[in-house]
Amino acid sequence: GAVVSQHPSWVICKSGTSVKIECRSLDFQATTMFWYRQFPKQSLMLMATSNEGSKATYEQGVEKDKFLINHASLTLSTLTVTSAHPEDSSFYICSARLQGAGNSPLHFGNGTRLTVT
Amino acid sequence: GQQLNQSPQSMFIQEGEDVSMNCTSSSIFNTWLWYKQDPGEGPVLLIALYKAGELTSNGRLTAQFGITRKDSFLNISASIPSDVGIYFCRMEYGNKLVFGAGTILRVKS
Repeated sequence: GAVVSQHPSWVICKSGTSVKIECRSLDFQATTMFWYRQFPKQSLMLMATSNEGSKATYEQGVEKDKFLINHASLTLSTLTVTSAHPEDSSFYICSARLQGAGNSPLHFGNGTRLTVT
Repeated sequence: GQQLNQSPQSMFIQEGEDVSMNCTSSSIFNTWLWYKQDPGEGPVLLIALYKAGELTSNGRLTAQFGITRKDSFLNISASIPSDVGIYFCRMEYGNKLVFGAGTILRVKS
């Protein structure tokens, strides 16, 4: 089945530094990838929709200058948390949809736990 | 925005018991999906429903897409310890994806 790989699985960084998280579709091409954040015992909240070759679409309240998204190829999207602060500590998850598959189910990465000290 | 209500918030049941959870929305949708998330991992798709009234099983799991297209339930029969986790419903409207708040399931063996 379709596999989405997310890297790193966890990262600890100092306040003020930037962190990049990668999301790769391993055996399929994904025109669209989605980025979520999840706080403990809460649901996934969609942050942005990443579109290959164009600008990402951000959800209301998500700062696009803080959470930089790049979707340079059909198999890779990256989320960079810039000038991270402790309140950015969270579980970040990406998902991808098979190219041209309309409403087909999403395939999720295993998430990245970010801790900002 | 779209409202998606999932209940119950949590369940602590005895191994072997059946489990039922549901999601309701304020609007009509064409797709309901149910996911399970283990701690520290991404959600895994359990069942996808695409037609009103559709009833689909996957092993001990059964899910139905309500006839009004505003609700769905997920049942787990004869629960086992590995059923522990958080279960989410999800729906899409336009380009938006919305998850339910999740149902935390704990199983006592």
